[in-house]
Amino acid sequence: GAVVSQHPSWVICKSGTSVKIECRSLDFQATTMFWYRQFPKQSLMLMATSNEGSKATYEQGVEKDKFLINHASLTLSTLTVTSAHPEDSSFYICSAVTVSGGVGEQFFGPGTRLTVL
Amino acid sequence: QQQVKQSPQSLIVQKGGISIINCAYENTAFDYFPWYQQFPGKGPALLIAIRPDVSEKKEGRFTISFNKSAKQFSLHIMDSQPGDSATYFCAEEWENFNKFYFGSGTKLNVKP
Repeated sequence: GAVVSQHPSWVICKSGTSVKIECRSLDFQATTMFWYRQFPKQSLMLMATSNEGSKATYEQGVEKDKFLINHASLTLSTLTVTSAHPEDSSFYICSAVTVSGGVGEQFFGPGTRLTVL
Repeated sequence: QQQVKQSPQSLIVQKGGISIINCAYENTAFDYFPWYQQFPGKGPALLIAIRPDVSEKKEGRFTISFNKSAKQFSLHIMDSQPGDSATYFCAEEWENFNKFYFGSGTKLNVKP
């Protein structure tokens, strides 16, 4: 099956620093990747849609200048949390989409646990 | 952002029993309805999915029942096992946009 990796799996940083999270589709090409945020015991909240070669589309309420997304290739998307603060601490999950029969199937990465001190 | 309502929020089932989780959607533009299973600290994994031209899909112990007229679909886990204990999310894909909306999740606990 399709495999999506994320790196790092967890990160602890000081307030004010920036953190980059990588999302890779290992055995397929993904023109579209999604970034989600998940708080404990809650559902996944879509942050943005990342399309290869174009600017990301952010969901309402998500600060695009704070959460920088780059989809530089068909297998790699990165999320950079700039000037991180404790309230940015969360579980960040990416997913990559393959299209079959006109319908996209979504495969998730294992997630990245971000803790901002 | 909530496009789909999922219930119950939590569910306790005895080993060997049937677990049933329900979802209801509003927008008929959705054309793909997957269920995801998530274990703590892990990303969600696709469990089973259905398209609205089919009323039921079965894969092993997992069955999706789809009621297009009622705009509802449900996940049935037969012969539930302790290893099935996880959080389950239903989702819908927005037609032609490949955008997914998730339910609020159901935490399933299967007791041995």
